[in-house]
Amino acid sequence: QKEVEQNSGPLSVPEGAIASLNCTYSDRGSQSFFWYRQYSGKSPELIMSIYSNGDKEDGRFTAQLNKASQYVSLLIRDSQPSDSATYLCAVRDTGFQKLVFGTGTRLLVSP
Amino acid sequence: GAVVSQHPSRVICKSGTSVKIECRSLDFQATTMFWYRQFPKQSLMLMATSNEGSKATYEQGVEKDKFLINHASLTLSTLTVTSAHPEDSSFYICSARDQTDRGYGYTFGSGTRLTVV
Repeated sequence: QKEVEQNSGPLSVPEGAIASLNCTYSDRGSQSFFWYRQYSGKSPELIMSIYSNGDKEDGRFTAQLNKASQYVSLLIRDSQPSDSATYLCAVRDTGFQKLVFGTGTRLLVSP
Repeated sequence: GAVVSQHPSRVICKSGTSVKIECRSLDFQATTMFWYRQFPKQSLMLMATSNEGSKATYEQGVEKDKFLINHASLTLSTLTVTSAHPEDSSFYICSARDQTDRGYGYTFGSGTRLTVV
């Protein structure tokens, strides 16, 4: 069973701080990784995708991938209260097109 | 970017009736669509993978005869919950991948909140 693990949280950070969200995966052959944000009662929205080892930056978001350690993370700089949501890590199954999701980390950014 | 339209957004039905949920890719062709279910405070659970023109592939534990999936065109997939019961009440979300998108992102519909009374 291919698995994606996340700490459920909640992760609480003050406004303006850096939030660090982590994810590990079991399928060593995985090549495609995604971070989604989901607000309560809404469907997930894609924040970032990453495919190569290293960092990928997009605005306040930075995704980090380490395939050797089977670890992917998301950093949110200058966290805002509007960033409060559940962040889902997803890994594309190597045998199929489907995404395998982690349970999500709930982030709370306090003003 | 790619847009997936899902309808209805909310539906309340009586126990024993059937409900159809539609998912359309608006500006791209989706040869494959995915159907998820999400219970409160839980993550997305893949129910089935829908392929245009062929039978859907269901995940283990998902009843094929209860959750009917039709993907008759490259832009439309439907999920029908047959003989719905209160335990089927959940948030159902479809997703599709625009294979021409070099970002390989998977776009989600807005979801359908099903309540069976």
